[in-house]
Amino acid sequence: QPVLTQPPSASGTPGQRVSISCSGGRSNIGSNILNWFQHLPGTAPKLLIYSDNQRPSGVPDRFSGSKSGTSASLAISGLQSDDEADYFCAAWDDSLHGWVFGGGTKLTVL
Amino acid sequence: QELLVQSGAEVKKPGSSVKVSCKASEGTFRNHAINWVRQAPGQGLEWMGGISPVSGTPNYAQKFQGRVTITADESTSTAYMELSGLRSDDMAVYYCARGVGQHLISYFDYWGQGTLVTVSS
Repeated sequence: QPVLTQPPSASGTPGQRVSISCSGGRSNIGSNILNWFQHLPGTAPKLLIYSDNQRPSGVPDRFSGSKSGTSASLAISGLQSDDEADYFCAAWDDSLHGWVFGGGTKLTVL
Repeated sequence: QELLVQSGAEVKKPGSSVKVSCKASEGTFRNHAINWVRQAPGQGLEWMGGISPVSGTPNYAQKFQGRVTITADESTSTAYMELSGLRSDDMAVYYCARGVGQHLISYFDYWGQGTLVTVSS
């Protein structure tokens, strides 16, 4: 079972705003930065959000991250068809002394 | 932009070992931690371990202790992950991922394309 909890699926129509949650505990999200990745099957995962809410250069500002306590959220506004992908969250875990991940959320653009 | 190029798909028999390589740009291993993560079919991602240039010694997730060996060859800018005692549930896509900094706690900024390891008799 993944240490971080994400909904298995999410969906929206083009132009809509969708949100994906990531829930953890005090030793991971509650103590360390949270990062989000976009993953298309057969390709390398891509860093989308780092340090809870920072976007790497090249990532559109349609993508935003937030965190409160032991939960975090990725929001995608102005949904586009090529946003259809798997999204997963990741954080360092102080108790496990390693990285932990969410199970991933498959986003479908209807 | 960093490019991490991994070795090709492998088919292994149960009980055998597999060694996956990850070639990076020159100098990467002096300045960045390298991690190994796997994803079994229909499952989430799982951190196996990593190696930091600060310590030079690898750290492994408890689940893989005794079965995994992670090394980094600075002269060829290539990292390796060797997993022994392969079982059917080791069938997965294995990824290398670069830490943005030198410590293992550094978030991943670039990933390799993945290497499919199939375990079958």
